Amino acid sequence: AAGVIQSPRHLIKEKRETATLKCYPIPRHDTVYWYQQGPGQDPQFLISFYEKMQSDKGSIPDRFSAQQFSDYHSELNMSSLELGDSALYFCASSGETGTGEEKLFFGSGTQLSVL
Amino acid sequence: GNSVTQMEGPVTLSEEAFLTINCTYTATGYPSLFWYVQYPGEGLQLLLKATKADDKGSNKGFEATYRKETTSFHLEKGSVQVSDSAVYFCALSDRTGRRALTFGSGTRLQVQP
Repeated sequence: AAGVIQSPRHLIKEKRETATLKCYPIPRHDTVYWYQQGPGQDPQFLISFYEKMQSDKGSIPDRFSAQQFSDYHSELNMSSLELGDSALYFCASSGETGTGEEKLFFGSGTQLSVL
Repeated sequence: GNSVTQMEGPVTLSEEAFLTINCTYTATGYPSLFWYVQYPGEGLQLLLKATKADDKGSNKGFEATYRKETTSFHLEKGSVQVSDSAVYFCALSDRTGRRALTFGSGTRLQVQP
């Protein structure tokens, strides 16, 4: 079965550079969530999109922005990178299961290292 | 706001030992509760869930019961295996709309042969 695809798998950047992370949800899923997981930390919710509109906002820095496109894939754009942005960035997708209960499926994440 | 508190790890057990990882939560309303597992270098995988009080979620020998009176969702397994070594996250979801998950801090389980 198709899963959530994230790219790239690993990314190395220097301070003050920009980065773009991509997420391709499971087919027919209409909601995408972005999480940031620092080393040894729990995943922190950044932002989510439903039907291409922002649906919820968490602890996303102003230097970051995201959007969901017409094919439901999403991109997280990160500018003026800082050392503290080094983390594993997860994308998750969900769609109605028919029972009214949503279930999140996570990608394998993009490991961002800022040097 | 919502919050999840898990017991700190690492938890080190011998193979076939009994496992309990405590999880308590704070939430308004009636959240859904989840356990996710993260193997090294991989994403989070849903292990089990419960959507209402007294529900028991179970999968792969793991169980957790939604206890509203104690606001708890402790994870248990009767006999752990080396392959269960991973980080386990308790999480909740506010069911009012399409809400994101709130995670606990994770508990690392190490099972020794």
